[in-house]
Amino acid sequence: DIQMTQSPSSLSASVGDRVTITCRASQSIGSYLSWYQQKPGKAPKLLIFAALSLQSGVPSRFSGSGSGTDFTLTITNLQPEDFATYYCQQSYNARTFGPGTKVEIK
Amino acid sequence: EVRLVESGGGLAQPGRSLRLSCAGPGFNFNDYGMHWVRQAPGKGLEWVSSISWNSAGLVYADSVKGRFTISRDNAQNSLYLQMNNLRIEDTALYYCAKDKLPLMTVTGSPYGMDVWGQGTTVIVAS
Repeated sequence: DIQMTQSPSSLSASVGDRVTITCRASQSIGSYLSWYQQKPGKAPKLLIFAALSLQSGVPSRFSGSGSGTDFTLTITNLQPEDFATYYCQQSYNARTFGPGTKVEIK
Repeated sequence: EVRLVESGGGLAQPGRSLRLSCAGPGFNFNDYGMHWVRQAPGKGLEWVSSISWNSAGLVYADSVKGRFTISRDNAQNSLYLQMNNLRIEDTALYYCAKDKLPLMTVTGSPYGMDVWGQGTTVIVAS
C-alpha cells in the first residue's frame, strides 16, 4: 500500500502570507496526486488534480507542484477564507489520503 | 446541478450491518467511477472503497476488506456500501464522491474526486 505523509501537521499564518505544504508518497506515484481543502462541518473540496492542475473555480493563488514522491501545495497571498485543513491524496494505486495540514490564523 | 446525496447512516451495534446509499442526480452517473471516503470524529479523511463506472473494478482499504462491499445500480443512479460485521472503529461520517473525469479505471486516475456529498453518519456502539 502507498502511504502518504504531510508536513507540517499544522501551521499559523497571517492574511497575505505565502504558505507551503509538503506531501510525500512512500513510492513513486508519478503525477497521480490531488489536493483538497476542508472547512469544519463541510465536505472536502478539490483544489488541484494531476499534481499541478487547478480545478475549475479555484483561485489562482493556489498552485501545486511535484512528481514522483514529493509534492507541494502553495497558497500565495493567504486570504481569510483559506484557513482550513488541506489533504493530499494519491490515486496511483487505489486511493490514500495524507493526514492533513491545518492552516490556522496567527 | 451535479450533486450527491448519501443516506442510510445510523446507530448499529458491533457485529451488525448497515447499508449506505448515495444518489447521484444531475449528471451522467453511468460514466463515472465512484468512491466512499470516511472521517472519524475529529480525524482526517480515510479512503474506504472505489468502484469503476461499469462495476468491473472494485478496490477496498485494508481496514474494511472482507467486511464492506461497494456496488452500484446505474439504472437507479445510485451507489451503495454494504457494511457487515461493523466495528466501533467504523464510526465516522461517510462521504460518497465522484471521479472528476468519466470512464477512468478504478486503480489509477490522476484527476481526483470533484463532487462530494454532505455525508451520512455511522455510529457503532453497544
